[in-house]
Order: sequence, then C-alpha cells, then structure tokens
Amino acid sequence: QQQVKQSPQSLIVQKGGISIINCAYENTAFDYFPWYQQFPGKGPALLIAIRPDVSEKKEGRFTISFNKSAKQFSLHIMDSQPGDSATYFCAGRTGNQFYFGTGTSLTVIP
Amino acid sequence: EAGVVQSPRYKIIEKKQPVAFWCNPISGHNTLYWYLQNLGQGPELLIRYENEEAVDDSQLPKDRFSAERLKGVDSTLKIQPAELGDSAVYLCASSLFPRDTQYFGPGTRLTVL
Repeated sequence: QQQVKQSPQSLIVQKGGISIINCAYENTAFDYFPWYQQFPGKGPALLIAIRPDVSEKKEGRFTISFNKSAKQFSLHIMDSQPGDSATYFCAGRTGNQFYFGTGTSLTVIP
Repeated sequence: EAGVVQSPRYKIIEKKQPVAFWCNPISGHNTLYWYLQNLGQGPELLIRYENEEAVDDSQLPKDRFSAERLKGVDSTLKIQPAELGDSAVYLCASSLFPRDTQYFGPGTRLTVL
C-alpha cells in the first residue's frame, strides 16, 4: 500500500517555466513532509520540507504548498532551469518512519 | 564533512551467489537506514538501526537478507543467495537522531544475472 501517492510520473517543462509536482496522503499521523531531489547516480538529497501546521514554505525558487484538509501537498519550482532536471520524491514521516512517493522525473528543456 | 559512503558502487553477480554492501554513515550519526530503490520507485525501508540495535527490520526478507552494524558505526547488508528480483539500488542513509533529516549515500546498484 502506497502511503504517499505522487504525480505526475514525469514532467517536461520549458526553461523559465513553473514545475508543479503533487502528492497526496491518507495517514493523518504524518507530522513532517520533506521533498528530496535525486540526480542520476546519486542518492536523494533533502530539498525543502514542511510541517502540517504551515500552509506554505518558500526557499528560493522552491515552494511547498500544503492543504491539510485535502491531505495534499505540492512542490512548485519557479523559473525552472535545466540544472533542476532530476527526480523528485515527496515523503511523509510518522514516528521514526519515512514513507516516500514513487518519484517524478523532471526534465527542463533549454 | 564527508557524506555517507557506500561501496561498492556497482555489483554484478550471478543468481544464487552471495553479495554484501558496506555503508559508512556520517560521523556522529546515531541512526542508520538501509533502503531498497527499484527503478522508477521511491526508497523503501529495509532496516533501521539506532546505534547498534536494529529497531525496525519488519521489511527485511530475513530468509535471504541480513544486516549488521557492529559498534554502532559502519553497517553491512548481505544477500545470500541473490535472486533475479533483487536487482535494484541499495541506499544507505544516516541521521543524527531517528526523526532528523536523512542524508543518503550514492547507493549500490546491484544487477543479478
């Protein structure tokens, strides 16, 4: 059973455009929602994270929007750059356990 | 500061052979994780250590997989015997404490022929 559902599976965006990746969860015990960025041949690296008592968090070009009532959250990448091309994973944490989404492969076309 | 180190980076073996992966976490990190990542999927937890104690190994296929973390630092994950379906990337991660940010190593890509 997938605890965190992520979409789309892949995304192609023009340079300068906005990339949006969505995640949904069912487990209301989740208390922390990180996003990870993974480049080919590398392990995932924490990009940005949010707690459920906050509706939005912004760090540079990356923003998480969080809708607690809908149990959904999304990553927005503003002014997308070719260097942002990577796989992005959302995750939810409950207790000491992290559950990851299935990933979104983002390609930013120059 | 050195990150999480894993070796080997790549391993190709015949089915039914044994294989072992090694992980050196970030210095001082109490918690160590082994994850399985299949192609096009997110990491799935195999086992979590707090110091040298395996506190969550419910997803570890114990008939063929084993792990150890001697002295609460380095860890080894072993598969014996390997099956075709074990082909995947094995990721190691560590965190200062169990609920903290996890730092991942580059992974070991295993191919079982």
